[in-house]
Amino acid sequence: AQSVTQLGSHVSVSEGALVLLRCNYSSSVPPYLFWYVQYPNQGLQLLLKYTSAATLVKGINGFEAEFKKSETSFHLTKPSAHMSDAAEYFCAVSETNAGKSTFGDGTTLTVKP
Amino acid sequence: DGGITQSPKYLFRKEGQNVTLSCEQNLNHDAMYWYRQDPGQGLRLIYYSQIVNDFQKGDIAEGYSVSREKKESFPLTVTSAQKNPTAFYLCASSIRPEVGTEAFFGQGTRLTVV
Repeated sequence: AQSVTQLGSHVSVSEGALVLLRCNYSSSVPPYLFWYVQYPNQGLQLLLKYTSAATLVKGINGFEAEFKKSETSFHLTKPSAHMSDAAEYFCAVSETNAGKSTFGDGTTLTVKP
Repeated sequence: DGGITQSPKYLFRKEGQNVTLSCEQNLNHDAMYWYRQDPGQGLRLIYYSQIVNDFQKGDIAEGYSVSREKKESFPLTVTSAQKNPTAFYLCASSIRPEVGTEAFFGQGTRLTVV
């Protein structure tokens, strides 16, 4: 069975600092992995996805994530935080199709001026 | 513009009532999904449909029902059997029900029991 663990329900960084949001997964087969962002009272928007083509995946808004099979991790990073990055971020794993995914509990990112 | 439209944005329900949440997509996607989101929790799958006139239960289907009579529409009914229906409901779709395709989400419906 697939599962996702997001380490840290809240992360706070200063504007311009590195953003690191952690995600570990469990899957019985090579997984497909996704990061989504959610702004208050809105739906989720895809940031990036891993589909085995490359271990370092670049997404929108300057985010990227690296797939590490040995660590079963798919951490999300951004070199320099912007105030507009404040939102909730969800990591998701799928063994079948993308919509039928298992989501982590989410990490709320706060960006301090 | 193509996308997923959920309505209404806010919905209030009295205990014992059934309510229906609308989800329409004009992306020509085959698969559609309903998720429930509670504070501090991730999304939990209620129902999904990979093709018209067919749907399957997700992880928390009890107290909910769906239909898929048209490709573009996937309404969710929250019945009186759902013990704790207050939550944020998200509808999503994907172009194909195959691994590797990302989901597109609507803006959500916030349901409150009064």
